[in-house]
Amino acid sequence: DAGVIQSPRHEVTEMGQEVTLRCKPISGHNSLFWYRQTMMRGLELLIYFNNNVPIDDSGMPEDRFSAKMPNASFSTLKIQPSEPRDSAVYFCASSLLGGGTGELFFGEGSRLTVL
Amino acid sequence: GDSVTQMEGPVTLSEEAFLTINCTYTATGYPSLFWYVQYPGEGLQLLLKATKADDKGSNKGFEATYRKETTSFHLEKGSVQVSDSAVYFCALSDPGGGADGLTFGKGTHLIIQP
Repeated sequence: DAGVIQSPRHEVTEMGQEVTLRCKPISGHNSLFWYRQTMMRGLELLIYFNNNVPIDDSGMPEDRFSAKMPNASFSTLKIQPSEPRDSAVYFCASSLLGGGTGELFFGEGSRLTVL
Repeated sequence: GDSVTQMEGPVTLSEEAFLTINCTYTATGYPSLFWYVQYPGEGLQLLLKATKADDKGSNKGFEATYRKETTSFHLEKGSVQVSDSAVYFCALSDPGGGADGLTFGKGTHLIIQP
């Protein structure tokens, strides 16, 4: 079975450019999560969706960040404009029963470098 | 709010040594507790979990017991292998706290030398 698929795996861009990260959750899963990982702050939950509806976006750093889930099989995380402090690995995860069970399935991550 | 504290790494051990990675938590409700493992260049994978006090989770030779009295969930393995080298994350899920998703510790980098 295919796992959570993220693209791109690596992105290098210049400050001020728009960045779009993509995620395809596991088929049948009804919850999707976006996490950011940095050395300084560890893993941070940015936003999560249940049944394509954003439930909690309190972790989104600021208005430069936005996330959408237009259907059950696709989600995007957009940063516009990007800044060097956004450099991190961004993980998408999906779950069948909702995050409360704890069994999240993670993608391999998108490593973003903003110069 | 909810939080998870893990021992700082890196932790460096020789092959076949005994492993303990400490984890303590703070939660408002009755959380479930988890250990996830991240191998180089990969995403996180669930290693084991426990959903109530005194439960023991186990997988691949790793064990952790949910200790409510000490709010701890320490990860142990009797004899580590080079292939266990990875970053280990302790996490909790506390729906009673009003939030979904997991709260993670900062991770402990484990290095096993042959």
